[in-house]
Amino acid sequence: KQEVTQIPAALSVPEGENLVLNCSFTDSAIYNLQWFRQDPGKGLTSLLLIQSSQREQTSGRLNASLDKSSGRSTLYIAASQPGDSATYLCAVGNDYKLSFGAGTTVTVRA
Amino acid sequence: DVKVTQSSRYLVKRTGEKVFLECVQDMDHENMFWYRQDPGLGLRLIYFSYDVKMKEKGDIPEGYSVSREKKERFSLILESASTNQTSMYLCASSGTSGSNEQFFGPGTRLTVL
Repeated sequence: KQEVTQIPAALSVPEGENLVLNCSFTDSAIYNLQWFRQDPGKGLTSLLLIQSSQREQTSGRLNASLDKSSGRSTLYIAASQPGDSATYLCAVGNDYKLSFGAGTTVTVRA
Repeated sequence: DVKVTQSSRYLVKRTGEKVFLECVQDMDHENMFWYRQDPGLGLRLIYFSYDVKMKEKGDIPEGYSVSREKKERFSLILESASTNQTSMYLCASSGTSGSNEQFFGPGTRLTVL
C-alpha cells in the first residue's frame, strides 16, 4: 500500500521568504504526483501535476520536482505572500487512484 | 475550466436518516470519486466510478453506497446515517486520456446528530 508522508506538518515564515514543502512516498511505481492547496473548510485546488516521466513542473511562483527513484517530491513557493497561507497536500497517483499525505499547513506572516 | 459542483455546502441530518450527496462535473470525465476528510486521518477514498453504472469500493466503503446513472453525476448514499459519518465529503473527477489530473468540488460538511 502506498504511504505518503509530508514534512513538516506546519510551517510559519515571514512574508517574502521562499517556502520548501517536502513529500515522500514508499512505492516508486507511480503514474503521477499532484500538489493541492486547501483553504480552511474548502475543497482542494490543484496546483501542479507531474507525470512519472517528468522531473519538474512550474507555474508562476510554484515549482515542483519529482525524484521517483528516491520517492520524493518538493514544492517550492518563491517570495511567499500572506495569501499563500493554506494547507498544501501531496497526492501520489497509481493508475487513476490517489494516495494523500496529511498535508503541511503554511502560515505566511505579514 | 473544469467545474465540479456538490449539491450542499453544509448538511445536518439525524441518526438513521438516509442521506444523498450529489456531485456533478461538466468536463465529460469518465472517472469520479468520493472521499471523506477527517482531522488526523487525511483524505480517504470511499468509492469511485470509472464509467456509467460502474463502481469500485475504495478504502472505507462500509456504510456507504453510490449511484452513477449519468456520466456527469455521481451520488453518495448513506443508507442509515450514524454519528461517526460526520465529516467533510469531497467529490472529484478525472479523465482517462492525458494526465489523469483530479479536480475537486467545494466539499459538503455533513453533521449527523
